[in-house]
Amino acid sequence: GAVVSQHPSRVICKSGTSVKIECRSLDFQATTMFWYRQFPKQSLMLMATSNEGSKATYEQGVEKDKFLINHASLTLSTLTVTSAHPEDSSFYICSARDQRTGGYEQYFGPGTRLTVT
Amino acid sequence: AQKVTQAQTEISVVEKEDVTLDCVYETRDTTYYLFWYKQPPSGELVFLIRRNSFDEQNEISGRYSWNFQKSTSSFNFTITASQVVDSAVYFCALSDYKLSFGAGTTVTVRA
Repeated sequence: GAVVSQHPSRVICKSGTSVKIECRSLDFQATTMFWYRQFPKQSLMLMATSNEGSKATYEQGVEKDKFLINHASLTLSTLTVTSAHPEDSSFYICSARDQRTGGYEQYFGPGTRLTVT
Repeated sequence: AQKVTQAQTEISVVEKEDVTLDCVYETRDTTYYLFWYKQPPSGELVFLIRRNSFDEQNEISGRYSWNFQKSTSSFNFTITASQVVDSAVYFCALSDYKLSFGAGTTVTVRA
């Protein structure tokens, strides 16, 4: 149980376009999901916390108008990178919190590798 | 504020050697969880262990073992008799509600 999927796994887009990444909890309901960003040879940095039915909470330094997060259902959160630039190229990972396990554990998706040309 | 420090950036060993990864954390919370994750070249995070702040019992799972010492705020991870498949980046993480990751330690096991 506790499987999280992400789609797409890899995406290449042109500078100036927008790209949407989906994060789904497949066998549990996730009232809270998290979005992380990981640059090559670096650690995971939390971008935002996504709560179902409410606005996302962004970490300091993350542009909320550039990284749009929507958590419209208990199993789906989406991250849209708007007007993408080459510096947005990164590995984006989502995670979902399973309330059944007491709320401290997060289950991670396989990640989405974004390349902006 | 939470902080996780993994002082070792890279470790390289020959197969069958033991490897110990250090993790030191800082938190003001009395209730928290500590985690270790493995990230192979594919990028997907693999969960290895979760330990809550009230459980200082050490744990062994196959070739993996963990030593949690609250007195020194450390949660170290040992791979015994390492194998090439253990080559990966290993992250220590701390959670009260959000997860804070250490910088990661790259382990390379040579045949």
